[in-house]
Amino acid sequence: EVQLVESGGGLVQPGRSLKLSCAASGFTFSNYYMAWVRQAPKKGLEWVATISTSGSRTYYPDSVKGRFTISRDNAKSSLYLQMNSLKSEDTATYYCARHSGYYGSPFAYWGQGTLVTVSS
Amino acid sequence: DIQMTQSPPSLSASLGDKVTITCQASQNINKYIAWYQQKPGKAPRLLIRYTSTLESGTPSRFSGSGSGRDYSFSISNVESEDIASYYCLQYDNLWTFGGGTKLELK
Repeated sequence: EVQLVESGGGLVQPGRSLKLSCAASGFTFSNYYMAWVRQAPKKGLEWVATISTSGSRTYYPDSVKGRFTISRDNAKSSLYLQMNSLKSEDTATYYCARHSGYYGSPFAYWGQGTLVTVSS
Repeated sequence: DIQMTQSPPSLSASLGDKVTITCQASQNINKYIAWYQQKPGKAPRLLIRYTSTLESGTPSRFSGSGSGRDYSFSISNVESEDIASYYCLQYDNLWTFGGGTKLELK
């Protein structure tokens, strides 16, 4: 059974940094693109970042490009999201998601999410 | 960047009704659209990929169609367990979600 468990969320002040982690199990982690997707309170879904199987290619929307960095450790079956220069609009539940394959595939499996609150 | 315009934002239906949600892309997305269901406090669940391919476990009352820029998602014979929010996702060029549709009981 595919399992994705996020951790690292919490309350952080604007301008500060936070690093999220996702522990994966139940599949061969190194065979799949992985992603982060977020959802602001009472709002819709927003794709945040995607990383290739080896970690050599990363993709971001303009809203987080230059501030967020996605990375992975295939030996530990773990995914990370380093978030810098946080803004109030980054407040959201952050979901770790597994693509169904490589680039050009949807998000097939999701974790339960971790809440990040950016506030002074 | 590809934009996805989803409508309606909310929908009220009776049990047994057929409901339809549409998504229009800002450019041709070559049928690379998926549909998700999200219940309150839960993670989204992938229902349909590549316009009309049902995921394992997706009931047959769910369906999808479309091409080019215009796509639709339908639920025939709405059941109480279908009350949720629904989102489209284009994955032809990066990834973009539609704004979502909240399905409520009339």
